[in-house]
Amino acid sequence: AQSVTQLGSHVSVSEGALVLLRCNYSSSVPPYLFWYVQYPNQGLQLLLKYTTGATLVKGINGFEAEFKKSETSFHLTKPSAHMSDAAEYFCAVSPRRGGGSYIPTFGRGTSLIVHP
Amino acid sequence: DTGVSQDPRHKITKRGQNVTFRCDPISEHNRLYWYRQTLGQGPEFLTYFQNEAQLEKSRLLSDRFSAERPKGSFSTLEIQRTEQGDSAMYLCASSLDLQPQHFGDGTRLSIL
Repeated sequence: AQSVTQLGSHVSVSEGALVLLRCNYSSSVPPYLFWYVQYPNQGLQLLLKYTTGATLVKGINGFEAEFKKSETSFHLTKPSAHMSDAAEYFCAVSPRRGGGSYIPTFGRGTSLIVHP
Repeated sequence: DTGVSQDPRHKITKRGQNVTFRCDPISEHNRLYWYRQTLGQGPEFLTYFQNEAQLEKSRLLSDRFSAERPKGSFSTLEIQRTEQGDSAMYLCASSLDLQPQHFGDGTRLSIL
């Protein structure tokens, strides 16, 4: 079974400060990993994904994440927060099942608060 | 690409009533997924279709829930005899094969 733990239900930063949202996963084999963002009353939007290859993944809106197998982590970062980054962020993991259902398991989410 | 569309956006109903939600996926996507999201939680998988075939159902999908995708295009999710615990956001997503899923904006269900 796979699971995702997002450390911190809320993260508060000042505009222009570094954003760090933590995600640790549990899986018997290295899975596919994702970060999604959700704005109020909207669905989820994919920020970035890791499937294979380079462990540092760049996504949209200046976000990036690094897959660290030894730490079973996939933390999301952004060098400089913007007010528009305030949203709920979800880390997700899905198994590497060839031809399988590719159903992701989501973490509980981290609410990013950006102060002016 | 007009995105995944869900209707209605909000539904308020009395306990015990039946409700039906509709999802229109991105046209070329063959996979369609339903999730439920409650406040402070991430989406929880309910069921998914590949074309018109329903291939997987979660244990969360009780016998009061039924989903269809009759022609492999739009899908409906019906909840019969609604209960207070059914109050949630119901999200639909679609994908082309194993590509990442695109989500709709959801249907928020409130049970009075």
